[in-house]
Amino acid sequence: SQTIHQWPATLVQPVGSPLSLECTVEGTSNPNLYWYRQAAGRGLQLLFYSVGIGQISSEVPQNLSASRPQDRQFILSSKKLLLSDSGFYLCAWSAGGQGIQYFGAGTRLSVL
Amino acid sequence: DQQVKQNSPSLSVQEGRISILNCDYTNSMFDYFLWYKKYPAEGPTFLISISSIKDKNEDGRFTVFLNKSAKHLSLHIVPSQPGDSAVYFCAASAKGSQGNLIFGKGTKLSVKP
Repeated sequence: SQTIHQWPATLVQPVGSPLSLECTVEGTSNPNLYWYRQAAGRGLQLLFYSVGIGQISSEVPQNLSASRPQDRQFILSSKKLLLSDSGFYLCAWSAGGQGIQYFGAGTRLSVL
Repeated sequence: DQQVKQNSPSLSVQEGRISILNCDYTNSMFDYFLWYKKYPAEGPTFLISISSIKDKNEDGRFTVFLNKSAKHLSLHIVPSQPGDSAVYFCAASAKGSQGNLIFGKGTKLSVKP
């Protein structure tokens, strides 16, 4: 069966510090991968998606970037965090097309 | 511009009764709709989906209805249980969008014993 791992579960970072969140998927190959953010009191906002290694599409211009160095690994990064980057970050995968997306447990990021 | 709207931020229902969660969309290109359930500090869990070629899909206690002309869908939970208390998100995708989902802001369901 397929599983998705996302870490860390919580993170507190000072403003201006770098960020690296990692997501890995097991039990499938060539998945579509997604990063979402849920800000307080808001819905889920798609940040990045990837249909293959090295292929990244950005949905919202922001202080963040994403990379996919391996087929089942998706990384969310920032060089300098802003207060507005605080939120709940979720990684998801799908088998492609309009398949169901399956989410990781999420990372609660607090930028202070 | 919000393409997927869940106008009720919260809903309270008595255990055993029906819960009806509503969702409206504006983009006529959406042809696949999903409902997710989310507990605090956890990722959303897929519940049920419906394609635009159908108007109803049922899975156990959960039924989703789609009214394409009204651009409206609803999730019915019968009977409601205390364990159903969570935030429910409606999501939609359009063909050719790489499956990118547009989410509503969610409705918090509270099922009281």
